[in-house]
Amino acid sequence: DIQMTQSPSSLSGSVGDRLTITCRASHDISNYLNWYQQKPGKAPKLLIYDAYNLETGVSSRFTGSGSGSGTDYTLTIDSLQPEDVATYYCQQYENLPSFGPGTTVDLK
Amino acid sequence: QVQLEESGGGVVQPGKSLRLSCTTSGFTFGDYAMHWVRQAPGKGLEWVAVISYEGRNKYFADSVKGRFTLSRDNFNDTLYLQMNNLRLEDTAVYYCGRGTHESTGYDTYQRGDYWGQGTLVIVSS
Repeated sequence: DIQMTQSPSSLSGSVGDRLTITCRASHDISNYLNWYQQKPGKAPKLLIYDAYNLETGVSSRFTGSGSGSGTDYTLTIDSLQPEDVATYYCQQYENLPSFGPGTTVDLK
Repeated sequence: QVQLEESGGGVVQPGKSLRLSCTTSGFTFGDYAMHWVRQAPGKGLEWVAVISYEGRNKYFADSVKGRFTLSRDNFNDTLYLQMNNLRLEDTAVYYCGRGTHESTGYDTYQRGDYWGQGTLVIVSS
């Protein structure tokens, strides 16, 4: 099984800040990584797929990247907005899909 | 527009069975793989299962393998999750999601781009 970790577990920012969330896989997942946003009581929303690709209709303030190691990935939120308050999950699909534990983002 | 709606949740005793449905509209259901994920109260997301677009390939998380089955009715645009021998730890909101177009085999693992609002399953004695 591939284990996913995320850091930090929670993050606060002011409107306009740039925030970065890191996701690490226990094995090389070769960019087989998605990022989802989930607001309380709502369904998950796909933001980024295949590590780098922005889902249609998602704000360009969200960027996915990888370190090249195959295990370390980053979600960057540029110019944080109030509507970005949510929990963010990475998900690998190199093997049976699995999610990271999530990172909660709120406003200072 | 793409819409998915889960139904069939409720309260059930441990060891009993329940079948969830996911009715869809706004896209050609039979052309897409379909996922289930779940979320226990106050916890994170857990991937549960995926079925290929034609129903030939099905994959399950270890936590439900052998207890849950997947099926789809491509004529009625509906996905089903049959949950047997339910355990307390199966208590969660279950979401269905649209997978990728005409994906089979391990390609079915890819992203889910649209999700329903979920149905709550409570396993309790």
